[in-house]
Amino acid sequence: EIVLTQSPATLSLSPGERATLSCRASQSVNTYLAWYQQKPGQPPRLLIYDASTRATGIPARFSGSGSGTDFTLTISSLQPEDFAVYYCQQRYNWPLTFGGGTKVEIK
Amino acid sequence: EVQLVESGGGLVQPGGSLRLSCTASGFSFSTYPMNWVRQAPGKGLEWVSYISSTGSNIYYADSVKGRFTISRDNAKKSLYLQMNSLRAEDTAVYYCAREPDIRPNYYYGMDVWGQGTTVTASS
Repeated sequence: EIVLTQSPATLSLSPGERATLSCRASQSVNTYLAWYQQKPGQPPRLLIYDASTRATGIPARFSGSGSGTDFTLTISSLQPEDFAVYYCQQRYNWPLTFGGGTKVEIK
Repeated sequence: EVQLVESGGGLVQPGGSLRLSCTASGFSFSTYPMNWVRQAPGKGLEWVSYISSTGSNIYYADSVKGRFTISRDNAKKSLYLQMNSLRAEDTAVYYCAREPDIRPNYYYGMDVWGQGTTVTASS
């Protein structure tokens, strides 16, 4: 099973700041990686697929990078609606796995 | 509007069974692989099961293998999860999610999710 380790667990930032979230895979997943945003009481929302492609309707302030084992989700300038939990997920091997999540909270 | 709606959740005693349903609308259901993903209270996301668009390929998480069965009825635009021998640790919100499969060797993520249905296994 491929283990995805997200860091940090919690990121405390102010609106307007840049957020950098990390996802590290226990073995290569090529670019078969997606990022999701989840707010309390809501289902996850797809942000990024294929490691770096923004999903439909996702603002340009969200960007993804990386391949192999190291991936990054960057939010260039945090907006109030961006404070949420973010998950990475791989689809390179079965079982499909999610990272433990990074909570982006208001400082 | 593209939509997925789950149903069938509820309170069940440990060892009991439930059947979850997910009904699709607004898109060509028969052309999309589908997943079940769950989230225990206060916890992260856990993938449960996958079924290909035709139902010919099926995968399960080890935690549910042998107890849960995924299936679909493309004519009814519906996805199902039969859950048997339920345990307390199966308590979670269960989401169905669509997975586009447009071209090979490319991963499009799970782009449409339902609102979830809650399963509670407790005596």
